Amino acid sequence: KAGVTQTPRYLIKTRGQQVTLSCSPISGHRSVSWYQQTPGQGLQFLFEYFSETQRNKGNFPGRFSGRQFSNSRSEMNVSTLELGDSALYLCASSLEGRGTTGELFFGEGSRLTVL
Amino acid sequence: AQSVTQLGSHVSVSEGALVLLRCNYSSSVPPYLFWYVQYPNQGLQLLLKYTSAATLVKGINGFEAEFKKSETSFHLTKPSAHMSDAAEYFCAQGDSSYKLIFGSGTRLLVRP
Repeated sequence: KAGVTQTPRYLIKTRGQQVTLSCSPISGHRSVSWYQQTPGQGLQFLFEYFSETQRNKGNFPGRFSGRQFSNSRSEMNVSTLELGDSALYLCASSLEGRGTTGELFFGEGSRLTVL
Repeated sequence: AQSVTQLGSHVSVSEGALVLLRCNYSSSVPPYLFWYVQYPNQGLQLLLKYTSAATLVKGINGFEAEFKKSETSFHLTKPSAHMSDAAEYFCAQGDSSYKLIFGSGTRLLVRP
């Protein structure tokens, strides 16, 4: 079974630009979450989608947005990039339903550098 | 608010020595607890998880963790460190919304 796939793996942008990151979850997983990882703040929750609906959102500004498609693939977008947005963005998928343990399966991440 | 505390941002051990990485959680109800490992430039890989079935949980690569409710702890151990264990380790707690709350991470260094 293929794992979580994130594209692109690396990208460089300049301040003020916008970026879109893509995530394909494990087949059968309907929940997709996004996390930002930085040396200073660690792993911070961005948002979680299930069946094309955002169910949970972290404490990030409105420049950070996401969506999920009917095939469970997800994208996240960051507009008006700032230097502080430089980070590893991790996508994770999970099974849904009572009795599941909330275990997340992570992709390898998209490393964004903002110059 | 729920939180996860990992004591020690860096832990250094000799190859063959015991590995002990500490994690304390905060939850008033039995939580789901996880340990993840991250190698450089990679995502997080699940080492093990606690789901209330047993207090001593065995994971991959010889790691295990013991859930102690009285101490709100879920420390990760491995009897004998290997060079390949050098990585960053994250303890995490699941909440009711399927979101994971991560600790700040512990970087394990293994000396030859």
